Amino acid sequence: GAVVSQHPSRVICKSGTSVKIECRSLDFQATTMFWYRQFPKKSLMLMATSNEGSKATYEQGVEKDKFLINHASLTLSTLTVTSAHPEDSSFYICSAKGPSEKLFFGSGTQLSVL
Amino acid sequence: AQSVTQLGSHVSVSEGALVLLRCNYSSSVPPYLFWYVQYPNQGLQLLLKYTSAATLVKGINGFEAEFKKSETSFHLTKPSAHMSDAAEYFCAVSDNTDKLIFGTGTRLQVFP
Repeated sequence: GAVVSQHPSRVICKSGTSVKIECRSLDFQATTMFWYRQFPKKSLMLMATSNEGSKATYEQGVEKDKFLINHASLTLSTLTVTSAHPEDSSFYICSAKGPSEKLFFGSGTQLSVL
Repeated sequence: AQSVTQLGSHVSVSEGALVLLRCNYSSSVPPYLFWYVQYPNQGLQLLLKYTSAATLVKGINGFEAEFKKSETSFHLTKPSAHMSDAAEYFCAVSDNTDKLIFGTGTRLQVFP
């Protein structure tokens, strides 16, 4: 079946540094990918829709300069958390629209900012 | 606006017992409804989805859910729980099947 690989699964960084999270569709091409964020005991919140070859569409309240999204190829989208602060610590998860318009999810990335 | 409420962040059942995970939705348009399961260290997997066809939807692993418009509910059930069903379950609603609005999740524990 279709697989989405998300890397890294866990990252710890210092405040002020930037962190890049990768989302790859391993056996299908994904023109559209989605990035979600999840706080403890909260629901997954859609951050942005990533479209290959064009700018990402951000949800209301999500800082586009803070969360940079690049979808440079049909199999890779990246989320870069710039100048990370402790309040950016969260679980980030991506999904990709695959065959038959189904959504396939990565296993998520736990970001901890010290 | 759309939203989803999952009642009960944790549900515990004995192996062989009925599984019932509750989900209520709010939507100003006819909704698409989904149940996803997340096993430890894995991504979300689609269990089943409702897209305005039959109100009783059968999914993978013996799960099913019934769309009840009058109750704005889409509860997930399985007649007999297995140990392997222990996971986090998410209900979600959408108006176009792309942008999903998730509930807060329900952790299912299955005891032998």
